[in-house]
Amino acid sequence: GAVVSQHPSWVICKSGTSVKIECRSLDFQATTMFWYRQFPKQSLMLMATSNEGSKATYEQGVEKDKFLINHASLTLSTLTVTSAHPEDSSFYICSARDPEKQGTQPQHFGDGTRLSIL
Amino acid sequence: SQELEQSPQSLIVQEGKNLTINCTSSKTLYGLYWYKQKYGEGLIFLMMLQKGGEEKSHEKITAKLDEKKQQSSLHITASQPSHAGIYLCGADISGTASKLTFGTGTRLQVTL
Repeated sequence: GAVVSQHPSWVICKSGTSVKIECRSLDFQATTMFWYRQFPKQSLMLMATSNEGSKATYEQGVEKDKFLINHASLTLSTLTVTSAHPEDSSFYICSARDPEKQGTQPQHFGDGTRLSIL
Repeated sequence: SQELEQSPQSLIVQEGKNLTINCTSSKTLYGLYWYKQKYGEGLIFLMMLQKGGEEKSHEKITAKLDEKKQQSSLHITASQPSHAGIYLCGADISGTASKLTFGTGTRLQVTL
């Protein structure tokens, strides 16, 4: 069964709205989670590394104020797309790995969230 | 330039045929992961390779990592429609065993 749960799976909202996406680790405590973005027919691009209890580490070119990440507990990271516009429409996926099994287990991915901004 | 290159970008094979997907980097791959994705869905883990020369198989899928740890291949034997999807290689190229860099992806279609 799934070890990483992502919610919601699909969001359609109006331009200017802020949207929150949740990523939960179900079977382990994840001190680190990762947020990716995927454009149609393209690969996954890492947006940021979410660190429990501290600030997220953003990849070059990713706007921190646009994509707010909060990792307030060991099992939950949230990505908030603030004042979303049509160009923010994309497929967002989170991942996490059990830190106790690091090096021997892969990252587990959520099922993704398809965000459509009208 | 892309740090992980996958080839081919897309592939159409007839059911029952074999196929190979390649993943190449100019950097050392400290951990190489193969995932499968259905369009608009999450990633399904297939295999993980860490040692140079390592080879793993699961059902009809075999993955290899070369001795230099810069290239990996994914081979599917006697393809079936259920194998259709997007295959992504992801790798730890920083050596920190944390974030993954993903390849460009290979879209596989299997015709009847």
